[in-house]
Amino acid sequence: EAGVAQSPRYKIIEKRQSVAFWCNPISGHATLYWYQQILGQGPKLLIQFQNNGVVDDSQLPKDRFSAERLKGVDSTLKIQPAKLEDSAVYLCASSYWTLLGDNEQFFGPGTRLTVL
Amino acid sequence: DAKTTQPPSMDCAEGRAANLPCNHSTISGNEYVYWYRQIHSQGPQYIIHGLKNNETNEMASLIITEDRKSSTLILPHATLRDTAVYYCIVRVYGGSQGNLIFGKGTKLSVKP
Repeated sequence: EAGVAQSPRYKIIEKRQSVAFWCNPISGHATLYWYQQILGQGPKLLIQFQNNGVVDDSQLPKDRFSAERLKGVDSTLKIQPAKLEDSAVYLCASSYWTLLGDNEQFFGPGTRLTVL
Repeated sequence: DAKTTQPPSMDCAEGRAANLPCNHSTISGNEYVYWYRQIHSQGPQYIIHGLKNNETNEMASLIITEDRKSSTLILPHATLRDTAVYYCIVRVYGGSQGNLIFGKGTKLSVKP
């Protein structure tokens, strides 16, 4: 079974530039998550999708971050404009959903963003 | 904020059992205990979860105290590949009520 795919794996940009990350979840997983992991800390949830709808984006800095999952499969996370403090690993995860709710999350390898 | 407390680091000899403790004294009746681990430069990986009974799978065992205020993850025969950061998380199972809130975890170093 193919895992969660993310690209690019690494990205270096200058502050105030824009960047986009792509995620392809495991086939059949209705729930998709984006996490931000700053060095030395655990991952922090940015946004959760259920199919193509947003379930939780309470911790997404909406003035500069945006995310979409238009067809309920792939997702894109964008930062515009980037700040130095956005340097982190951006993790995508997915899970399947049952009537009891979502289950264990499967994580991709992440995209390491460096903002100079 | 994370609802769990874990030691920042632990060492374990290869081939021995690794016992990773976690305190979750404010856990609610409908919250499960989950364990994930993160090997360097990889995304977190699910290990096991439980409500109140002890659980075992091919990766590990989870022992939850009777009062549910603490738990221990046991890797029965640790290998060098088990070196990772281990996260203990409490969350409501399912729905949108309980996403994973990660703390800083325990960095387990398995030594030859």
